[in-house]
Amino acid sequence: QSALTQPRSVSGSPGQSVTISCTGTSSDVGGYNSVSWYQQHPGKAPKLIIYDVNKRPSGVPDRFSGSRSGNTAYLAISGLQAEDEADYCCCAFAGSYTLMFGGGTKLTVL
Amino acid sequence: QVQLVQSGPEVKKPGASVKVSCKASGYTFTNYAVIWVRQAPGQGLEWMGWISTQRGSTSYAQKFQGRVTMTTDTSTTTVYMELRSLTSDDTAVYYCARVAIGGWHNDYWGQGTLVTVSS
Repeated sequence: QSALTQPRSVSGSPGQSVTISCTGTSSDVGGYNSVSWYQQHPGKAPKLIIYDVNKRPSGVPDRFSGSRSGNTAYLAISGLQAEDEADYCCCAFAGSYTLMFGGGTKLTVL
Repeated sequence: QVQLVQSGPEVKKPGASVKVSCKASGYTFTNYAVIWVRQAPGQGLEWMGWISTQRGSTSYAQKFQGRVTMTTDTSTTTVYMELRSLTSDDTAVYYCARVAIGGWHNDYWGQGTLVTVSS
């Protein structure tokens, strides 16, 4: 079981938009609607920001959005703010009670 | 409020075992499954396995099969993860997380437990 593929890093200036990709296969990202995204600040536990491909938990700003095309999921962040600087990780259900995580992407707000 | 509180940091020697606990509160324990995830220093999250708190059934990542055991104690609303035959590669922060109803996303996480394996 290989991890889902994410870019190691992305960056953007305040106010700009960035998109992070998460590539898997038809057996995980492309096979089920259970794709989620987590934000993690240094030394903290992950925080759920997107679930079921494109749903936002209560309290998560609508600047965060999720989508999917084929076997690749995307996390888009618009109107970048300094507090968005963190690691972002995708996760997908892979059948038979198993999950897979991406390698994580470090977002730098310039 | 929902809380998952994990046990404290551990230092173990190679070949030893470690057992990390995750005490849940603020919700009906048996209504939600729990997963365990680890994060080695500077690395991404790695899924270790899943346990049903209602039935005690488990599913483990292939990588950890035979070396990990997850258990649940409904009387104390606590989930445990035991990892055996530790090596330095097992040095990581270990997290428990609740699996949301109707999906596979994790809405609440423990604070993490640092396990250091060193001779």
